[in-house]
Amino acid sequence: IAGITQAPTSQILAAGRRMTLRCTQDMRHNAMYWYRQDLGLGLRLIHYSNTAGTTGKGEVPDGYSVSRANTDDFPLTLASAVPSQTSVYFCASSDSTSGAQGQFFGPGTRLTVL
Amino acid sequence: GQNIDQPTEMTATEGAIVQINCTYQTSGFNGLFWYQQHAGEAPTFLSYNVLDGLEEKGRFSSFLSRSKGYSYLPLKELQMKDSASYLCAVLDSNYQLIWGAGTKLIIKP
Repeated sequence: IAGITQAPTSQILAAGRRMTLRCTQDMRHNAMYWYRQDLGLGLRLIHYSNTAGTTGKGEVPDGYSVSRANTDDFPLTLASAVPSQTSVYFCASSDSTSGAQGQFFGPGTRLTVL
Repeated sequence: GQNIDQPTEMTATEGAIVQINCTYQTSGFNGLFWYQQHAGEAPTFLSYNVLDGLEEKGRFSSFLSRSKGYSYLPLKELQMKDSASYLCAVLDSNYQLIWGAGTKLIIKP
C-alpha cells in the first residue's frame, strides 16, 4: 500500500441497504476525514477523526457513521442508504490537525443509490 | 455563515498566464490551501499560505491577503495538462477545512 486506499472504487446500491466504505492509510497520519463531493458544490466534511479512538461530526453527518479502532483504518458506514447519498466519497488524512502540510486524499468511491 | 467563492469556470490558452481568484469569509483563519483536481481523480495539494504575500513555487505560486479575505493562484506557462479544477480551502478556527466549489480551468491550444 502506498498512501491511502479506498474500496470499493464504485458501487451501485439499492435504497435501504447498508454499506461500508473502506479507507486505509499507511502513512501513520493521526487525522483522517471523510468527504462527499457533489457537482457544483465544494467538498463537504462528513466525519473526521483527530486520532485513533476519537471521532467527530462534520458538516453533513446525518445518515453516516464512522469508527477509528486504529491509526490506519477509518471506515464509513451508511446504515440505510438513500438516493441523496449518491455522490463521490473521498477519504483523506493529514499528519496533524493544524494542517499545514495539507490533507492527502484517497482515489475516491463513486456511490450510486437507486 | 462560512463562505468561499471562486469563479465556476475559466478558459485560457496554452502558454499563457491565468489567475484564479478566491474570496473567503470564515469563522477564524488558520491558513489557505489550493488543490488541483483532474476529472475523475482525487484532489492533490498545490500550496499553503498562512501569511500575507506571495508564496512562489515554480509555475504554481499563491498569494494571500488576510485583511481582504482574498487569495489568488497565478498559473504561468500553461500546459494542456493544467486543465483541471482548482479548489480553494480555508482552515477555520476549529481546524476544519472549508472548501470552495472549485474553478474548472479549460486550456485551449
